[in-house]
Amino acid sequence: QVQLVQSGAEVKKPGASVKVSCKASGYTFTGYYMHWVRQAPGQGLEWMGWINPNSGGTNYAQKFQGRVTMTRDTSISTAYMELSRLRSDDTAVYYCARDITPGIAAAGFDYWGQGTLVTVSS
Amino acid sequence: DIQMTQSPSSLSASVGDRVTITCRASQSISSYLNWYQQKPGKAPKLLIYAASSLQSGVPSRFSGSGSGTDFTLTISSLQPEDFATYYCQQSYSTPPYFGQGTKLEIK
Repeated sequence: QVQLVQSGAEVKKPGASVKVSCKASGYTFTGYYMHWVRQAPGQGLEWMGWINPNSGGTNYAQKFQGRVTMTRDTSISTAYMELSRLRSDDTAVYYCARDITPGIAAAGFDYWGQGTLVTVSS
Repeated sequence: DIQMTQSPSSLSASVGDRVTITCRASQSISSYLNWYQQKPGKAPKLLIYAASSLQSGVPSRFSGSGSGTDFTLTISSLQPEDFATYYCQQSYSTPPYFGQGTKLEIK
C-alpha cells in the first residue's frame, strides 16, 4: 500500500533553515510528482511547489521562490523540502502529497504524508 | 492566479441530513476540481477528483458536480464520521489554489 512517512517535528529560530523529508513506499517513486503543501495553525491549505522525482525538475510557488528548495534521493525513495530564512509566520504543518496522475503534475493529491510541524520561535 | 471561494464557511447539520457545499472559481476551470476532507490533526483526504469522480474507497454518499466556475460537493446522508472540514482545490493551472474551507459541525 502507498505510504508517505515524514520526518519529525522541528523547532527553529528565525533566520534558520529547516529540511523536511518524505519517504515513499508501495509504489514506483519516480513515477509520480511529489507536491508540498503547508497549513498554518487554524488556517487553510497552501501549495508550495512540486518536484518530479524522475528528472529532479521543480516548480515553486511564487511566494516561496528563493527560499524553498525541493530535492529527492531516488536510491531511498525520499523527497525533501528545505525552507530557508525562516520567519515566525512559517510556523505550520508541512505535508508532502503524491500527485494523482502518473508522470505529470496534474495537481490532484491522492496520498499525503502525516505532516511535520515546524515551529519558528526565538 | 485562479482564486477559489467556498460557501458556506461553516455549517451545522444533523446525522442523516443532506448537505451541499459550494465552490466557485474566479475563472473557468473546466472540470479540474478536487474535494478533500480533513479531520483535526490529520492530513487531508481526497474524496472527489475531476469534479465528479469518486476516489477509491470513498463512500458513495459523497458526490460532486459542476463544471466551468461553479461546483458542489453533496453528502447525501450525513454520518457521524463526516463532521470535518472540507476543501475544494483547482488543478487547472499553477498555483493549484485551495478554497478557504467549510467546517461541518454537528447541530
